Amino acid sequence: DADVTQTPRNRITKTGKRIMLECSQTKGHDRMYWYRQDPGLGLRLIYYSFDVKDINKGEISDGYSVSRQAQAKFSLSLESAIPNQTALYFCATGGTGGHEQYFGPGTRLTVT
Amino acid sequence: GQNIDQPTEMTATEGAIVQINCTYQTSGFNGLFWYQQHAGEAPTFLSYNVLDGLEEKGRFSSFLSRSKGYSYLLLKELQMKDSASYLCAPTSGWGKLQFGAGTQVVVTP
Repeated sequence: DADVTQTPRNRITKTGKRIMLECSQTKGHDRMYWYRQDPGLGLRLIYYSFDVKDINKGEISDGYSVSRQAQAKFSLSLESAIPNQTALYFCATGGTGGHEQYFGPGTRLTVT
Repeated sequence: GQNIDQPTEMTATEGAIVQINCTYQTSGFNGLFWYQQHAGEAPTFLSYNVLDGLEEKGRFSSFLSRSKGYSYLLLKELQMKDSASYLCAPTSGWGKLQFGAGTQVVVTP
């Protein structure tokens, strides 16, 4: 079984809709991250959390919110989706002892 | 903030060697990662350099010069499966990575 899972894997939604992307991990890591990836722009950090009570904005948090429901779960919400939020979204985890991050398989989101 | 510069694309033939350069400017530095990402898939960890010098791991090696803000990833004995994007990611510590846009390596027969 995968250590980091994301649901859904693909989603098409309409402008203005609220959508939630979910991430779960079995690695026992405290740190969790949400990134988006656009062609030519690389991975950009949206939000990150170093433990259940800690939430921090990344470089592109506008239009997004997150919830850390448990050590193993970190969800990303788009309150009112817009077309320029069409992207590939990755969740990642990291342990406190090192810096390496482990990525989930990604969610391809299309906003029409 | 951080600026990260790496070439957009490189092409090489099977069996050859390719060197992917990465230059960075950071407000703090605590090591540099290289990740490999196949199209539509998750990035996977390749290497981590925190001290100057060369780290070798099989066909892949990574070099770091902190004073020059420079790193490279060396891929030897290229195989078709090495066709992927390679992401340079310096870290300022505190568990945060900053990713470059990636270098697409195309391996031809």
